Amino acid sequence: AQTVTQSQPEMSVQEAETVTLSCTYDTSESNYYLFWYKQPPSRQMILVIRQEAYKQQNATENRFSVNFQKAAKSFSLKISDSQLGDTAMYFCAFRGEETSGSRLTFGEGTQLTVNP
Amino acid sequence: GAVVSQHPSRVICKSGTSVKIECRSLDFQATTMFWYRQFPKQSLMLMATSNEGSKATYEQGVEKDKFLINHASLTLSTLTVTSAHPEDSSFYICSARDLWRNYGYTFGSGTRLTVV
Repeated sequence: AQTVTQSQPEMSVQEAETVTLSCTYDTSESNYYLFWYKQPPSRQMILVIRQEAYKQQNATENRFSVNFQKAAKSFSLKISDSQLGDTAMYFCAFRGEETSGSRLTFGEGTQLTVNP
Repeated sequence: GAVVSQHPSRVICKSGTSVKIECRSLDFQATTMFWYRQFPKQSLMLMATSNEGSKATYEQGVEKDKFLINHASLTLSTLTVTSAHPEDSSFYICSARDLWRNYGYTFGSGTRLTVV
């Protein structure tokens, strides 16, 4: 079974600074997808960024980028120029192509607070 | 973009009654629907997965007779909490996936259920 681990329950950062959220996963599958979702106080789940395991290039979406280390099974999220609206719970998620079907496996989440 | 409309957003019901939560995909075909439960400051816990026209597959420990899932059409899935008890109080979220979107998951805005 796949597992996703986020070892930082809470983090804080000053506005305009950069922060990195950690995520590690465990799987025996060779083809899979990784995601970062954001859940603000409204509790609406919002996709931040996604990465296909077969792509070596790290995904980037504006201020959000990932550091995907396949051999180490690590998938960290870097938020640059943090904004107050980035305050949210962030979940790392995994989806395998083989044994896990189309379900997402979520990590425990990291509560990020951006301070003015 | 893809939108999933989830209703109601909040519901309070008396112990012993049943509550139905609806999720509708507005602009795409929800070939697969996932139902999650989320406790405060915790991750999403998958309850069941349903494919249109098929019976739902429940996760271990989830009572299928208590949490009835219907996915009769490509745009509508419902979760009925039967004979609700205070311990069923939680935040319920649906997520839909379109078979033709390789890795896209769209989440509903969630339903806060309070059983009194």
